[in-house]
Amino acid sequence: SQQGEEDPQALSIQEGENATMNCSYKTSINNLQWYRQNSGRGLVHLILIRSNEREKHSGRLRVTLDTSKKSSSLLITASRAADTASYFCATDAVGGTASKLTFGTGTRLQVTL
Amino acid sequence: ETGVTQSPTHLIKTRGQQVTLRCSSQSGHNTVSWYQQALGQGPQFIFQYYREEENGRGNFPPRFSGLQFPNYSSELNVNALELDDSALYLCAGSREYTDIQYFGAGTRLSVL
Repeated sequence: SQQGEEDPQALSIQEGENATMNCSYKTSINNLQWYRQNSGRGLVHLILIRSNEREKHSGRLRVTLDTSKKSSSLLITASRAADTASYFCATDAVGGTASKLTFGTGTRLQVTL
Repeated sequence: ETGVTQSPTHLIKTRGQQVTLRCSSQSGHNTVSWYQQALGQGPQFIFQYYREEENGRGNFPPRFSGLQFPNYSSELNVNALELDDSALYLCAGSREYTDIQYFGAGTRLSVL
């Protein structure tokens, strides 16, 4: 089963605008990650935020985490047509030797020229 | 480039058949995880292998099984295929005690 929901399900913006996607989850987590998927192919890791962190930046990406609300947001600034893809949040709730990710339902982002 | 390759890219099977999907990860990825992604959904965790032993399993029946080999390759086997098994199957390699997983491009399985 999915860990949670992402909002919105689909987002259409123009190049240069900012895109914000939200993710809610259900259980306590070790960390939360965002992945990108182009055209139903493999996922690419974008950014990871740990449960004791509130905000993290990587290039044009900004991620926030609110563990009290069990929610996260991903902001992509100055979007480009090449950012068109599906974006998934994934939570890691288990310790041990490696993470076992539980994915959300995804946000499909369309960036138009 | 994630260093993880999957084969085949596409596969068509009929209900009741068996299928084997393959994954090859880069050196040092001693953990491999498999996910099933139905159309329009997020990936769902099937199971994980660490040092050739199963290291956790999601909510999938026993007809889904796997193997991991010492050369960082792995297999996902599905017996008695059902129509609902039609999906994109993703494998992901990772290093011990790290949180980031590196995904292959996936195998799209269609069950008719």
